[in-house]
Amino acid sequence: DVVMTQSPLSLPVTLGQPASISCRSSQNLVHSDGNTYLHWLQQRPGLSPRRQVYQVSNRDSGVPDRFSGSGSGTDFTLKISRVEAEDVGIYYCMQTTHWPYTFGQGTKLEIK
Amino acid sequence: QVQLQESGPGLLKPSETLSLTCTVSGYSISSGYYWAWIRQPPGKGLEWIGSIYRSGTTYYHPSLKSRVIMSVDTSKNQFSLKLNSVTAADTAVYYCTRGFGDSWGQGTLVTV
Repeated sequence: DVVMTQSPLSLPVTLGQPASISCRSSQNLVHSDGNTYLHWLQQRPGLSPRRQVYQVSNRDSGVPDRFSGSGSGTDFTLKISRVEAEDVGIYYCMQTTHWPYTFGQGTKLEIK
Repeated sequence: QVQLQESGPGLLKPSETLSLTCTVSGYSISSGYYWAWIRQPPGKGLEWIGSIYRSGTTYYHPSLKSRVIMSVDTSKNQFSLKLNSVTAADTAVYYCTRGFGDSWGQGTLVTV
């Protein structure tokens, strides 16, 4: 299975400051169709996960433009340009290139 | 806007069979996409259980393959999960999702 490793696992951030989460995969996530199926999920406390970014850098509908994804191959990053209170939660990277699909351990973002 | 809703028993005894149904509204399963089940043990991360296509083609996580059956009923716009011989390790919130997680149900807690 592809192992997804996130860092940091805990991320205290001051409101209005930027935040960055790293995700590394144990295998290259470029699919045979040329796409890279690396996605980012946000799980607010007590709620279902919600996808924020798909295929590395595409924001899902309704996701604020302060969220951005980047990376390639095995190294990926989710950035929040200015953290707001509603961004508190756990962020997961997820790969759907190789079966079985797998998730990172999660990064808990909290307000400092 | 697509909506998904899980339903099924919330409490099982060891060795029983977990049976959950996901009812989809706002989108016809017949139109496409893979449909998936993902679970999250209390306080832990996410695990992709399996995916099913409208044709009935399935992909199951190797660690669960011997115990899982997924099915789709396009006439009811539903898909289902059966997991047999459950143990305490199967206690989790079970989510149904569309595709690569672009839409999620609210989740249902199953306790063994």
